[in-house]
Amino acid sequence: NAGVMQNPRHLVRRRGQEARLRCSPMKGHSHVYWYRQLPEEGLKFMVYLQKENIIDESGMPKERFSAEFPKEGPSILRIQQVVRGDSAAYFCASSRRSSGDTQYFGPGTRLTVL
Amino acid sequence: DAKTTQPNSMESNEEEPVHLPCNHSTISGTDYIHWYRQLPSQGPEYVIHGLTSNVNNRMASLAIAEDRKSSTLILHRATLRDAAVYYCILRDGRAAGNKLTFGGGTRVLVKP
Repeated sequence: NAGVMQNPRHLVRRRGQEARLRCSPMKGHSHVYWYRQLPEEGLKFMVYLQKENIIDESGMPKERFSAEFPKEGPSILRIQQVVRGDSAAYFCASSRRSSGDTQYFGPGTRLTVL
Repeated sequence: DAKTTQPNSMESNEEEPVHLPCNHSTISGTDYIHWYRQLPSQGPEYVIHGLTSNVNNRMASLAIAEDRKSSTLILHRATLRDAAVYYCILRDGRAAGNKLTFGGGTRVLVKP
């Protein structure tokens, strides 16, 4: 069984460009979570999505960040007009159910903003 | 969210057991105790979870105090591959889709 897939694994962007991070959940999982880990810091929750719905975006920065999980295809975390402070590892997790179910994490996308 | 407290780091010798403590004095009756670990340059990995009774799986054992205000993750025979940051996390069993709130965790160093 394939685990959670994330791509790209490494992404380099210049300031002002857009970054798109993709996450394919495990087969049979319809709940997706995004977390961010800044250098030398812990993981912080960003957003929780189910198919076509954003359920909890309490951890998302107010500007430039958006997320979607369409009916078909992977979940996308989009960062517009990136700044150096966006450089971090972005992890996606998925679960089968919502209530307290185990979350399985992908390998992450490491974003570097030059 | 109820808070957990863990030591910043621990050292162990290879092939020896490792006992990782976690204090959660404000735990509520519906909070499950979850453990995840993060190996270097990888995403977090589920280890084990429990509510009241001690739990065992192929990776580790979880010992939960009778009053549930603390718990201990036990790695029975540490290997070099167990070097990671271990996170103790409380999750409310009633809350739908609740996020994981990671603290600082315990960095485990395994010496050969």
